[in-house]
Amino acid sequence: KNEVEQSPQNLTAQEGEFITINCSYSVGISALHWLQQHPGGGIVSLFMLSSGKKKHGRLIATINIQEKHSSLHITASHPRDSAVYICAVSGGSEKLVFGKGTKLTVNP
Amino acid sequence: DTAVSQTPKYLVTQMGNDKSIKCEQNLGHDTMYWYKQDSKKFLKIMFSYNNKELIINETVPNRFSPKSPDKAHLNLHINSLELGDSAVYFCASSQDTSPGVETQYFGPGTRLLVL
Repeated sequence: KNEVEQSPQNLTAQEGEFITINCSYSVGISALHWLQQHPGGGIVSLFMLSSGKKKHGRLIATINIQEKHSSLHITASHPRDSAVYICAVSGGSEKLVFGKGTKLTVNP
Repeated sequence: DTAVSQTPKYLVTQMGNDKSIKCEQNLGHDTMYWYKQDSKKFLKIMFSYNNKELIINETVPNRFSPKSPDKAHLNLHINSLELGDSAVYFCASSQDTSPGVETQYFGPGTRLLVL
């Protein structure tokens, strides 16, 4: 069983919808990262958080340390948000352990 | 100016060959990484260097040898390539010596295909 589980694996939405991607982890962590992998393959770091909530534009990331759970929300989704969203955690060894990703498709 | 660059972008080679992938970052970061993304798009850490010193070395065949000539460069040399080495290899960098709690900046990836 992977230390980091994401759901759903695949998500299709209509433009304008509110989107939630979930990440659960089974180990104690120092920080949790959300990454975006574009269809062309490039990877961009969206958020790094260890508590609470962070917001950047239409993206919001939350984390609940007690429940070992994080969510990534996208408001007013747009086709350009179509990508794979990857959750990763860093624990005692400080290396990143990745989830398998959530493939998001936003249709116009 | 590209922050983290990798060369080559694509690499097609025969089994048994030796190849290298180069990575350079111009962000002034102390820590650099190599990740492997397999055919199922699953990312996994291979190595991490901080100021030219190896700090993370996952269970990777010893055919893979990272080399860091200076803190801006981290190259990956692969000996005796096997079919299972086909993957996308990403280089990344971050500022500090606590790599898990720093934002990482990724290179564009090198797509390796072993025939």
